[in-house]
Amino acid sequence: EAGVAQSPRYKIIEKRQSVAFWCNPISGHATLYWYQQILGQGPKLLIQFQNNGVVDDSQLPKDRFSAERLKGVDSTLKIQPAKLEDSAVYLCASSSGRGLTEAFFGQGTRLTVV
Amino acid sequence: GENVEQHPSTLSVQEGDSAVIKCTYSDSASNYFPWYKQELGKRPQLIIDIRSNVGEKKDQRIAVTLNKTAKHFSLHITETQPEDSAVYFCAARNSGYSTLTFGKGTMLLVSP
Repeated sequence: EAGVAQSPRYKIIEKRQSVAFWCNPISGHATLYWYQQILGQGPKLLIQFQNNGVVDDSQLPKDRFSAERLKGVDSTLKIQPAKLEDSAVYLCASSSGRGLTEAFFGQGTRLTVV
Repeated sequence: GENVEQHPSTLSVQEGDSAVIKCTYSDSASNYFPWYKQELGKRPQLIIDIRSNVGEKKDQRIAVTLNKTAKHFSLHITETQPEDSAVYFCAARNSGYSTLTFGKGTMLLVSP
């Protein structure tokens, strides 16, 4: 089966600019996660969707980050305006949502804010 | 919410030795515990997982043990090889719909 697709792979922006990341989960996967992984740390959940509804966005900095999953398939994560500390890899993952099953990760988008 | 602690942060072993990585979790309702391996610049990939209805699971050189009473679980790698060098993450969640919470990771270095 095709894996989780993310784009772009790399992005360099200046602080205060905006940026958007895109994720296409594995077909049929109801659960979609966005994680932020700062160098040397574990993935930190930003937001979790179940179909097109938000399950958990408690750690999403809502003053600058937003995410949507229209139609319960693809998702976009936006940062506006970006700060230096947003430099990280943004990982998208999906799982079937049925029972206790594996979460599959995309390759991630490496964001550098200068 | 769930909190997952992972130790050690780095682990260096000689090829052929065993490696053990330990994690503790805070939410007694958690019942799914996966382990991911992340090589440099690559995506995390599942290497083994365990559900709370079993205490141990083994897959060739890799095994995971779970102690629900103490709320900790461990990854055991035997006969380590240089290609086992990577960052390993433990995680926990309590249902198919709940958040998957990760530990901070362990960098395993296997020297030839």
